[in-house]
Amino acid sequence: DVKVTQSSRYLVKRTGEKVFLECVQDMDHENMFWYRQDPGLGLRLIYFSYDVKMKEKGDIPEGYSVSREKKERFSLILESASTNQTSMYLCASSLWGGGANVLTFGAGSRLTVL
Amino acid sequence: AQTVTQSQPEMSVQEAETVTLSCTYDTSESDYYLFWYKQPPSRQMILVIRQEAYKQQNATENRFSVNFQKAAKSFSLKISDSQLGDAAMYFCAYRRGGADGLTFGKGTHLIIQP
Repeated sequence: DVKVTQSSRYLVKRTGEKVFLECVQDMDHENMFWYRQDPGLGLRLIYFSYDVKMKEKGDIPEGYSVSREKKERFSLILESASTNQTSMYLCASSLWGGGANVLTFGAGSRLTVL
Repeated sequence: AQTVTQSQPEMSVQEAETVTLSCTYDTSESDYYLFWYKQPPSRQMILVIRQEAYKQQNATENRFSVNFQKAAKSFSLKISDSQLGDAAMYFCAYRRGGADGLTFGKGTHLIIQP
């Protein structure tokens, strides 16, 4: 019954590496989101996409980029990983239109940058 | 910018007791939506309850209910008959009407004492 799948639960990368975090949803949702979760800081929005090839910056986009080539897939890219990007990354999706629409989350990807 | 404040980093309650988690938010909008999400240990985040700002009646979902005080910009979550499975991080979230993303609070860690 998994609806939002994040390809990697745990990753360990070196400083300067290019990192791809993949997210796939099977609910035909228009919106997809990448959040970063840090203790004491809650969830902060990195980027979101409301359609294929469309994206908007969230609150903390610096150091990240995204790609959405297909409706069901939304990738987060760290062009040159740094230690301050060590964190839990959560992908989510929802129907378009906001309102009371619920975000459905993936299980998260915990990234450690050494 | 909207902010969501959860003033209790951690709460502890005895099993079968009632606990209330606090949330306040800051907005100048009249059209918005509020949510409580639950993140159990090592599991994905799920919706607990949601409230439309235009509805005066407080939302209820089984043992979970909210106290929505619009004038005070307060949205607390009450959990009745607490169960061990309620142990989790709880996040309060806000969505402006017409927007798609959610703004989250920093979370409250709820401990259930057996």
